[in-house]
Amino acid sequence: DAGVTQSPTHLIKTRGQQVTLRCSPKSGHDTVSWYQQALGQGPQFIFQYYEEEERQRGNFPDRFSGHQFPNYSSELNVNALLLGDSALYLCASCTGVLSGANVLTFGAGSRLTVL
Amino acid sequence: AQSVSQHNHHVILSEAASLELGCNYSYGGTVNLFWYVQYPGQHLQLLLKYFSGDPLVKGIKGFEAEFIKSKFSFNLRKPSVQWSDTAEYFCAVMPATGFQKLVFGTGTRLLVSP
Repeated sequence: DAGVTQSPTHLIKTRGQQVTLRCSPKSGHDTVSWYQQALGQGPQFIFQYYEEEERQRGNFPDRFSGHQFPNYSSELNVNALLLGDSALYLCASCTGVLSGANVLTFGAGSRLTVL
Repeated sequence: AQSVSQHNHHVILSEAASLELGCNYSYGGTVNLFWYVQYPGQHLQLLLKYFSGDPLVKGIKGFEAEFIKSKFSFNLRKPSVQWSDTAEYFCAVMPATGFQKLVFGTGTRLLVSP
């Protein structure tokens, strides 16, 4: 049990559609990060949320947006889907956004296929 | 900008063979270092981490890694692999201070034949 839960586990969309992925962090964690793992690649950082605000962002277009709720859960939204958005989307949680000594706990991911 | 290089993309070993996976990173400041493992169909799991202190760190399942600061390396080792070690292994770095953003390497896919 990873402690971080993500939904849905798999989904198929077509180009141009929009998708929302959801994440519940591990109990006691207040910071949520999202990563995109394309096939055969390592995870790439999308953005991080703490206190319901986006704290830092990776090199992803504005089509990728997110939200964090008061209960620390988070959503990742992707608009105007492209074929290249097909990937495993990972959510990771931790405590204390400004401490490099923390370890991220990852969820099992949401596998998005764009046709 | 930070970057991580994993030189071995695919490794095939027989059971009981020794394993060493290379990892080099590029970053101008102090970093924390991690190895994560992704077993088939499972989530990313932390194998081991280095924050400070003894540069030889031990993780779960008999894995260890050595941080060599002068070489910007953090190689993963295991003296004797098992079939159950078949997985993908990711090296990752994070700045020791500031926002916690992990930068991953491209991963090494390990296949252990029985």
